[in-house]
Amino acid sequence: AQSVTQLDSQVPVFEEAPVELRCNYSSSVSVYLFWYVQYPNQGLQLLLKYLSGSTLVKGINGFEAEFNKSQTSFHLRKPSVHISDTAEYFCAVRVRAGGYQKVTFGTGTKLQVIP
Amino acid sequence: ETGVTQTPRHLVMGMTNKKSLKCEQHLGHNAMYWYKQSAKKPLELMFVYNFKEQTENNSVPSRFSPECPNSSHLFLHLHTLQPEDSALYLCASSQVWGQVNQPQHFGDGTRLSIL
Repeated sequence: AQSVTQLDSQVPVFEEAPVELRCNYSSSVSVYLFWYVQYPNQGLQLLLKYLSGSTLVKGINGFEAEFNKSQTSFHLRKPSVHISDTAEYFCAVRVRAGGYQKVTFGTGTKLQVIP
Repeated sequence: ETGVTQTPRHLVMGMTNKKSLKCEQHLGHNAMYWYKQSAKKPLELMFVYNFKEQTENNSVPSRFSPECPNSSHLFLHLHTLQPEDSALYLCASSQVWGQVNQPQHFGDGTRLSIL
């Protein structure tokens, strides 16, 4: 079985400062990794995904994430945040092994950008 | 503007009521999902439909009854709910359930409150 851990439930950061939101996973099979963002009163929107190839993936709104297989991490980063980035961010893992497939979400990290 | 539309956005109901949540996707996808999002808990996958056939039911109580009349529409029929069922219910779609490298597209959710 796989799991996703987002250790930080809330991350406050000043506007224009860099931010890193942490995501660690565990899985016995190969994984596909996703980051979603949820703005207040809205559903989840895909930020970026790692499927294969380059371990550094770039997404929308200036976000990027790096897949680190040895550390089983997929941390999300942005060099300079804006007020509009205030939202909740979810890391997700999808796996498939034989006829079995599953998607697992983390508990989310609330990013609060302080003016 | 999301390609997945959920109605109603908010629903308050008593424990003895019967109501239905509706989801419609305009993305030409063949897989549709119901998720439950509760505070401080990971997103919980409830049901999966692939080409109108239910492929997953993650031990959801029978007071939740899904219906998928076609690949574009998904319903969640509710009856005799409990207070712990109060949550945000999210609908999502993707191209095909078997393609784990494909992201899911989410609606804005229905905020359900059980009195």
